[in-house]
Amino acid sequence: AQSVTQPDIHITVSEGASLELRCNYSYGATPYLFWYVQSPGQGLQLLLKYFSGDTLVQGIKGFEAEFKRSQSSFNLRKPSVHWSDAAEYFCAVGARLGGNKLVFGAGTILRVKS
Amino acid sequence: DTEVTQTPKHLVMGMTNKKSLKCEQHMGHRAMYWYKQKAKKPPELMFVYSYEKLSINESVPSRFSPECPNSSLLNLHLHALQPEDSALYLCASSPLPGAYGYTFGSGTRLTVV
Repeated sequence: AQSVTQPDIHITVSEGASLELRCNYSYGATPYLFWYVQSPGQGLQLLLKYFSGDTLVQGIKGFEAEFKRSQSSFNLRKPSVHWSDAAEYFCAVGARLGGNKLVFGAGTILRVKS
Repeated sequence: DTEVTQTPKHLVMGMTNKKSLKCEQHMGHRAMYWYKQKAKKPPELMFVYSYEKLSINESVPSRFSPECPNSSLLNLHLHALQPEDSALYLCASSPLPGAYGYTFGSGTRLTVV
């Protein structure tokens, strides 16, 4: 079964600074990988996804993520954070073969200070 | 229409009540999901419906009863819940089972008193 680890529970960055949120996955093959964002009391919005091909994936709101097979990682990055990016971010993994279950990491809460 | 609509947005119910959560999508998606999210925790899968048939039940207690009347609608019937069932209940859909292009609704905030 697949699993996801997000090592950072909270991250605080200054507005305008760069951001990197870490995600490591465990799966026997190349999985499907996702980043979602959730504002308080809201549903989840898909930021980006990796299925195959180019390992650098561009998403919405200026986010990107890079799949690194050798490190089993799928870190999320943004060059310049805006105050509106403050939210909780979830990395998720789906099994490539015969799976129908998206497994989420514990989440990273992003705080942006002005 | 590219949304998943969940109603109600908030629900308070007693432990002896029966209530239902509703989820609707008109994107032609053939897989629909219920997730439960406790405060400060990630979403956890409860049920998966593929082509209107229940395909995954993650050992959810029988006080939660899902129903998929048609390809656009997913219900979650609640009966005799416990206070620990209080959570955000999220519905999602995807074009096909296993397609993972999930679209999530904004959720129903359930409080059991």
